[in-house]
Amino acid sequence: QVQLVESGGGVVQPGRSLRLSCAASGFTFSSYGMHWVRQAPGKGLEWVALISYDGNIKYYADSVKGRFTISRDNSKNTLYLQMNGLRADDTAVYYCAKEIASKTPDYWGQGTLVTVSS
Amino acid sequence: QLVLTQSPSASASLGASVKLTCTLSSGHSSNTVAWHQHQPEKGPRYLMRLNSDGSQTKGDGIPDRFSGSSSGAERYLTISSLQSEDEADYYCQTWGNGIVVFGGGTKLTVL
Repeated sequence: QVQLVESGGGVVQPGRSLRLSCAASGFTFSSYGMHWVRQAPGKGLEWVALISYDGNIKYYADSVKGRFTISRDNSKNTLYLQMNGLRADDTAVYYCAKEIASKTPDYWGQGTLVTVSS
Repeated sequence: QLVLTQSPSASASLGASVKLTCTLSSGHSSNTVAWHQHQPEKGPRYLMRLNSDGSQTKGDGIPDRFSGSSSGAERYLTISSLQSEDEADYYCQTWGNGIVVFGGGTKLTVL
């Protein structure tokens, strides 16, 4: 069955960096686009970034453009999110999700918590 | 600008039905919309993709109690025979102009 396991979250000071990982199994990782989506405390879901199956096409939300970088290693079945210049409003649970058609997430991980605080 | 609008809350009794609404912003009434369920302390769960003509593609294992329908710019999620485990936040989601958009979510309370 499809499994997505996020890791790398933690407490980080404003302005610092953090890299999240998402280990995928149970499907042909190299055939599907992948998303990062986050949920700040008490808020709704917010899309962060999307990467194509081969890593050649990337899309970002305006709120993270220029600070976050999505990437993937198809040889390791792993998705990444490099987060630089972190701010307090980046505090959230970060989910990775597999894509089906029309840029829709169809399987989600359990999430990893990122807290940006001094 | 692509925006999805949802009512913040809804409630219905155990065993009853409820219809949740998601409204697409002007100029985007033909968009495909997906519905996702998010229970506390869990990862979200994909329910279905819903086209403008009402055709739908459900996720794996989604029971028949969950169904979708469309009318103009509105996309609906109907949950029948409500169970306690249906109490959750429900989000609609779409794509356009290089971005993915989520609605603000509807918190469903099962009475």
